[in-house]
Amino acid sequence: SQQGEEDPQALSIQEGENATMNCSYKTSINNLQWYRQNSGRGLVHLILIRSNEREKHSGRLRVTLDTSKKSSSLLITASRAADTASYFCATDRNDMRFGAGTRLTVKP
Amino acid sequence: DTAVSQTPKYLVTQMGNDKSIKCEQNLGHDTMYWYKQDSKKFLKIMFSYNNKELIINETVPNRFSPKSPDKAHLNLHINSLELGDSAVYFCASSQDQTGSGEQYFGPGTRLTVT
Repeated sequence: SQQGEEDPQALSIQEGENATMNCSYKTSINNLQWYRQNSGRGLVHLILIRSNEREKHSGRLRVTLDTSKKSSSLLITASRAADTASYFCATDRNDMRFGAGTRLTVKP
Repeated sequence: DTAVSQTPKYLVTQMGNDKSIKCEQNLGHDTMYWYKQDSKKFLKIMFSYNNKELIINETVPNRFSPKSPDKAHLNLHINSLELGDSAVYFCASSQDQTGSGEQYFGPGTRLTVT
């Protein structure tokens, strides 16, 4: 399985601070994706980074990928209360595998 | 317009019953999936369908059977429900046929077996 594992399991910060979540995986991948899940909702795709990319930005999101360490990080800058959600990484080779997520709480 | 929809949103039933969850996508995607999310929020793929053909079949009990009448629909039928089947089930779709592309998720169906 190329299942991603997020770290930490839970993160609580104040509004305006940056939030960093990490993902580790075990085998080679084609790409890695990050998703957000608000409570009681389905997952929403945030960003995809390919195995030959090292960094990608999308608005306040910054994703890095280190294939030598088999790890990725998601940085959310200037966090807002609306960023409160669970964040999942998903890795793939022939199919996509999700981890258990990082639960982020942003306090206003 | 809803991209991926599921019905019902909540389903409470007794052990031993048979139930179905419906999923529809209006994105014109070729591949659809079913995931199970347990109480610890771990999301596990169960099935995917590409053009009516099963391309992933995880080691789920054969009490679970996906049915796809057309490429816009992938329903999940569950026979002889057990307590351990209680979870949130998500349907998803993607244009990519390899499972590597962005997936669009439905809102989920919370199944409670009593």
